[in-house]
Amino acid sequence: IAGITQAPTSQILAAGRRMTLRCTQDMRHNAMYWYRQDLGLGLRLIHYSNTAGTTGKGEVPDGYSVSRANTDDFPLTLASAVPSQTSVYFCASSGSSTGELFFGEGSRLTVL
Amino acid sequence: GQNIDQPTEMTATEGAIVQINCTYQTSGFNGLFWYQQHAGEAPTFLSYNVLDGLEEKGRFSSFLSRSKGYSYLLLKELQMKDSASYLCAVRDSNYQLIWGAGTKLIIKP
Repeated sequence: IAGITQAPTSQILAAGRRMTLRCTQDMRHNAMYWYRQDLGLGLRLIHYSNTAGTTGKGEVPDGYSVSRANTDDFPLTLASAVPSQTSVYFCASSGSSTGELFFGEGSRLTVL
Repeated sequence: GQNIDQPTEMTATEGAIVQINCTYQTSGFNGLFWYQQHAGEAPTFLSYNVLDGLEEKGRFSSFLSRSKGYSYLLLKELQMKDSASYLCAVRDSNYQLIWGAGTKLIIKP
């Protein structure tokens, strides 16, 4: 593993189903983030975690939950998927003095 | 409310210079970032400005004026591989990043 790994890279699921997007980093960064990216809109923060054991809500948290049991993993769960959650999801981490983000390759989710 | 404005799309010629502008209105300021995002890929970090002035990094430079709420990304000697979206983001007083919608840069031979 090098950097941030997301899984799955792409998924189609039926509305109402539960889905977990996985994110793992090997850079020992304290802060991790989940964003969604939709056409014509800027990246929007869903949830974040400043350190293991803590999480916080971002701009668009409804319908999503996260956990941060350890430094490396930060899964995002959709409890009951809806079509408006169709998007590309990016996991990111930061750990430098300037705070720049390192992104995973993204998970493209389609909810039908 | 907080807002980041940047042009939706720009076109430039290979070998030329292009300037991508970003204006912002945020609750406080703790730095401005530029990221590059190729189609279907993740954003990658390009530059960071926290003080006024120009930061140069190879063919790319980024400028910041905090009093004007303004930044630009300057790309010199354009190459076809520079075709991408360029994202401007500002870190506000709560250390949260506010993102612009991105500028799609098209490079023509």
